[in-house]
Amino acid sequence: GQQVMQIPQYQHVQEGEDFTTYCNSSTTLSNIQWYKQRPGGHPVFLIQLVKSGEVKKQKRLTFQFGEAKKNSSLHITATQTTDVGTYFCAAPGNQFYFGTGTSLTVIP
Amino acid sequence: NAGVTQTPKFQVLKTGQSMTLQCAQDMNHEYMSWYRQDPGMGLRLIHYSVGAGITDQGEVPNGYNVSRSTTEDFPLRLLSAAPSQTSVYFCASRGSYNSPLHFGNGTRLTVT
Repeated sequence: GQQVMQIPQYQHVQEGEDFTTYCNSSTTLSNIQWYKQRPGGHPVFLIQLVKSGEVKKQKRLTFQFGEAKKNSSLHITATQTTDVGTYFCAAPGNQFYFGTGTSLTVIP
Repeated sequence: NAGVTQTPKFQVLKTGQSMTLQCAQDMNHEYMSWYRQDPGMGLRLIHYSVGAGITDQGEVPNGYNVSRSTTEDFPLRLLSAAPSQTSVYFCASRGSYNSPLHFGNGTRLTVT
């Protein structure tokens, strides 16, 4: 089956610092989706990237899809305590595999 | 719309007991899935369905059964609970192949 690897597994940052999580697939993806899960909550869809080299922004969040459509990244500028949670990438398909997630802790 | 509804929210079972986790969606979504989430393991796919009457196995199907008799419902059955099945279980649905997943609030299961 499709494998989606995500790094780092954990990240602690001071409030105001930037944060990046990376997602790598063993196969070419038709598209990639990103989700956020707050502590104690359920994953919530953030964005979908479809085109090779695509870059999308949501306020302080920047999402990128690699040229080969095998990797993706999520970058948060100037983190806030509201950014705390686990960020997952996911490869849609019949089986819809998720990356292992990056747990972000923001220290006030 | 209620979205995806999971019941119960919490459950404690003894080893060997069986139970069914309920999942219902009111969005007329064709695709439904069950995931389990364990610390450091992310979301692992248990079973999924691409439409009523069709189910298939995911990454970790052993010890679980599913059925999809209607578009709305996708129950997950634990046949004989084991401590290794202690986890948080999420049901999710989506309208089409590339659509985003909508998750239920989860069921926290403890097997003693």
